[in-house]
Amino acid sequence: AQSVTQLGSHVSVSEGALVLLRCNYSSSVPPYLFWYVQYPNQGLQLLLKYTSAATLVKGINGFEAEFKKSETSFHLTKPSAHMSDAAEYFCAVSAWMDSSYKLIFGSGTRLLVRP
Amino acid sequence: EPEVTQTPSHQVTQMGQEVILRCVPISNHLYFYWYRQILGQKVEFLVSFYNNEISEKSEIFDDQFSVERPDGSNFTLKIRSTKLEDSAMYFCASTLQATPNQPQHFGDGTRLSIL
Repeated sequence: AQSVTQLGSHVSVSEGALVLLRCNYSSSVPPYLFWYVQYPNQGLQLLLKYTSAATLVKGINGFEAEFKKSETSFHLTKPSAHMSDAAEYFCAVSAWMDSSYKLIFGSGTRLLVRP
Repeated sequence: EPEVTQTPSHQVTQMGQEVILRCVPISNHLYFYWYRQILGQKVEFLVSFYNNEISEKSEIFDDQFSVERPDGSNFTLKIRSTKLEDSAMYFCASTLQATPNQPQHFGDGTRLSIL
């Protein structure tokens, strides 16, 4: 069975500091991984996806994530946090059911950005 | 950019009443999903729908739940007799293809409050 684990329910950084949000996955097959962001009172917006083409994936808003098979990780980073990055971030893995895929989400990490 | 739209944004209902949550998926998408997020918990898969029938459903999706695509554009989730524990944020999603690298596009959600 596939799963993702996000370490840290809350991460607080200063504006301009590095953002690092952790995600580890468990999968018996090559995983397809996603990061979604949820701004207050909004839905889930795709930040980026890993589909095996490249281990370093660039997404929107300056975020990127690196797939590391040896560490079963897909951590999300941004070099310099902006106040507008404050949101909840979800890591997800695509899991096959009998006839289609579903997303299995981590428990989310709330990013707080201090001025 | 095309969006998934959900209505209403907030629904308050008395326990035992029926509720219908509505979604308009992206127009050329073929696969539709409902997820829910109970406050403070993970986003969980409920059901997937393709070609006018349910493809997969989770153990949460019991006989009280049903989905329908009544008119070729709307995709609805009905809860027949709501319980307190149905209070959650419900997200609709759609995707063009049922392949693992296809991200699912989410609406802004409907917050369902059962009194």
